[in-house]
Amino acid sequence: GAGVSQSPSNKVTEKGKDVELRCDPISGHTALYWYRQSLGQGLEFLIYFQGNSAPDKSGLPSDRFSAERTGGSVSTLTIQRTQQEDSAVYLCASSFKGANSGNTIYFGEGSWLTVV
Amino acid sequence: KQEVTQIPAALSVPEGENLVLNCSFTDSAIYNLQWFRQDPGKGLTSLLLIQSSQREQTSGRLNASLDKSSGRSTLYIAASQPGDSATYLCAVYGGATNKLIFGTGTLLAVQP
Repeated sequence: GAGVSQSPSNKVTEKGKDVELRCDPISGHTALYWYRQSLGQGLEFLIYFQGNSAPDKSGLPSDRFSAERTGGSVSTLTIQRTQQEDSAVYLCASSFKGANSGNTIYFGEGSWLTVV
Repeated sequence: KQEVTQIPAALSVPEGENLVLNCSFTDSAIYNLQWFRQDPGKGLTSLLLIQSSQREQTSGRLNASLDKSSGRSTLYIAASQPGDSATYLCAVYGGATNKLIFGTGTLLAVQP
């Protein structure tokens, strides 16, 4: 597609369940980011993938969070044993090479997660 | 640790006014700075990207400036329109991390 695609757009899950959020970046973009935006809060960095390099996982808030990027394209963010504080919008972004190359970053419309 | 601050947090102006949004950052060792727009319930749209070697960028009614040494950027919006109403976010990239560090945003309302 023309832009960054995320699914599901909305997800309501029960506390304790696992969820998977998917991101399909713009074709040809080697850099992929996950951010979290809680209600009324700024964007919180979660994880960064760049090509075949080891991902920067320094923003993952706990070991319940993990992410993969298969084949250098689609990425999945997995949250295990969800908690109510995980409720947020999870935003994925991609760019052609990394942000330090001066390339514009393009965001998807986010996956809205509500844990009840 | 890089910290990004945006002032004001919220701004309401009548249609047609020119306005300035401010962004400041604590670590001047940045590669670039981007301004984004976020509409309610939507993702972010990139407006302007300024490289660390540049002083400003312009796109239509928008002009963004960067003063890296003082850790400041401004987004100037000329002849504001109701359609400009959104949250405006600045973000900096640089240092030893791969993170794009965001400010908390300025919520702009342009009254018709």
